[in-house]
Order: sequence, then structure tokens, then C-alpha cells
Amino acid sequence: NAGVMQNPRHLVRRRGQEARLRCSPMKGHSHVYWYRQLPEEGLKFMVYLQKENIIDESGMPKERFSAEFPKEGPSILRIQQVVRGDSAAYFCASSPVRRDWGNIQYFGAGTRLSVL
Amino acid sequence: AQRVTQPEKLLSVFKGAPVELKCNYSYSGSPELFWYVQYSRQRLQLLLRHISRESIKGFTADLNKGETSFHLKKPFAQEEDSAMYYCALSGETSGSRLTFGEGTQLTVNP
Repeated sequence: NAGVMQNPRHLVRRRGQEARLRCSPMKGHSHVYWYRQLPEEGLKFMVYLQKENIIDESGMPKERFSAEFPKEGPSILRIQQVVRGDSAAYFCASSPVRRDWGNIQYFGAGTRLSVL
Repeated sequence: AQRVTQPEKLLSVFKGAPVELKCNYSYSGSPELFWYVQYSRQRLQLLLRHISRESIKGFTADLNKGETSFHLKKPFAQEEDSAMYYCALSGETSGSRLTFGEGTQLTVNP
């Protein structure tokens, strides 16, 4: 099992461009979570998705950010018109089953986004 | 609102010494607490969770609801324990999302 795969590992964008971050969950996992880690801070929850469904997006900024997890293919976190404040490490995690809470989450290596 | 606090950003001990990484939380309900570890150049991985009540790599953590704490302890630190440690919380009112502390960088000196 290759684990949670994120790509790219590093992404450089200029202000105003779009950033697309990809996450392939572990085999057999159908639940995906995205977290953001700003410099010198802990990981902050952004969104929780099941295939073709957004379960909880309470941590997503209201504008420019969107996420999807299609029936086929990886989960995508999309940031439109990036600004310098979007520079951060973005982590994806997956879990095998859905309890209402307390799922063990397995993390990817992260994508480090730098906005110039 | 739920919150996890790790008061020490940096902690340095000598090999063989006891180590305790502090974690305090605020949550109105029954939380589930986790410790995640990130070794240098590796991904975040689960170290232990309170409901398992197990010892992993010599580490233990006890949930103290009275003090709202979940401190991570090891009686004899090893150099390979040097890593970033994150305490995290999940709760019935917050669904599956994890709330993380800001992390403690542990360095075990030879």
C-alpha cells in the first residue's frame, strides 16, 4: 500500500494564478480530509470529503478555495487567484471507514505552496 | 469552541532522561485524543490514541478529564525520538475533523 499520495510536493505560483493540489487516498479509503499549515502554526482543518460529496467544509475560506473528490481520480484542492497569504503546506489525509467522529487519519507528505 | 494547547514549542532532553510533552484541551463533551509524530523528512503519522490505552515506542499518554490534559510521556528518551509531536482532538460535536495543537519539537541529545 503506497499510502496517501500528494502531488506536487512543491508548487510555485505567481499572485493571481490558480493552484491545483492533488491527493490520492490509501487503497480502500473513501474519505479524504484537507488541512493547511501556515508557517509557525499547527495544522488547521479545511474540508472533509467523501466520494462525490462534501461532508464538512467549515474550515474552507469562503472565497477562491474549492475542493472535490470525484467518483474516479484523486481529490483536488483548488485555489483560484492565489495571494501571498496562501503560501503554506497543505496536507491531505484519508480514513478507511466513517464513524461519526474519531476516525484514524493517515496523512500524505504534503504540498508546499509558495506564492511569489 | 474546541482547542488544543501545547505550551512548549521546543523541548530538549538528554538521552535516557524522562520526557513529558504537555497537551491541554478544551472541549465540552467526550473528546477523542491523539498524538501524531513527524520525524525529519517523513509524513505525519499516528503515534497513539487514548482509547487504545497502549504503549507505542515506549510512549504512553493518559487522558485526564479533570485537568483536561493528555500529556505524552516516556521514561527514557532515545535519540531516535527526536521529532515534531502534535496533539490532536476529535469530538462528537465536530465530526471527523481533527483539531491540532501547534506542536512541540523534541530534541534528544546524546
